[in-house]
Amino acid sequence: SQQGEEDPQALSIQEGENATMNCSYKTSINNLQWYRQNSGRGLVHLILIRSNEREKHSGRLRVTLDTSKKSSSLLITASRAADTASYFCSHNTDKLIFGTGTRLQVFP
Amino acid sequence: DTAVSQTPKYLVTQMGNDKSIKCEQNLGHDTMYWYKQDSKKFLKIMFSYNNKELIINETVPNRFSPKSPDKAHLNLHINSLELGDSAVYFCASSLAGLAGGETQYFGPGTRLLVL
Repeated sequence: SQQGEEDPQALSIQEGENATMNCSYKTSINNLQWYRQNSGRGLVHLILIRSNEREKHSGRLRVTLDTSKKSSSLLITASRAADTASYFCSHNTDKLIFGTGTRLQVFP
Repeated sequence: DTAVSQTPKYLVTQMGNDKSIKCEQNLGHDTMYWYKQDSKKFLKIMFSYNNKELIINETVPNRFSPKSPDKAHLNLHINSLELGDSAVYFCASSLAGLAGGETQYFGPGTRLLVL
């Protein structure tokens, strides 16, 4: 299977804490993207990191990419209850492959 | 304005029926997609169209037939619905094809339940 895999499958934290999610993949990639899916809604693009980049920031989001280990991590700092959602990584070769997501629950 | 819209939002139907789901994007994108998300939340690509031409056709039963009347629309018609077709179907679009690593914009999903 070419799909990515997010880890952990589920994560529960308190507001204000940091949340770290990891993603592993099996093939070489052009880029890797992270998406968020709120319950019952479509996916929303968060951030894209290219294969020649190692780290990228966007607001409270920090993404790292280690192509030698075929892994990426998404860090959400100072989490809020509104961050509660499922987070998916996806990577593309000739088609976009999604993992099964990490379900993040942030308690107020 | 809604960027990627799908209709209907919910669809409950009997096994064996034929149904269609419509998708429209007003972003001016060239590429549109259909995904299926099952109960385990695994999101799998079904089809991709670029400028009305089929680009990706995953191993989807031929009961599923996409139709793209123009590059802003990609409809999904399903014949002889089966219980296993129950899922959430998402439409998405991107400016160009996937090889360029384009960001995809997703619709709100259509929840299909086959009884």
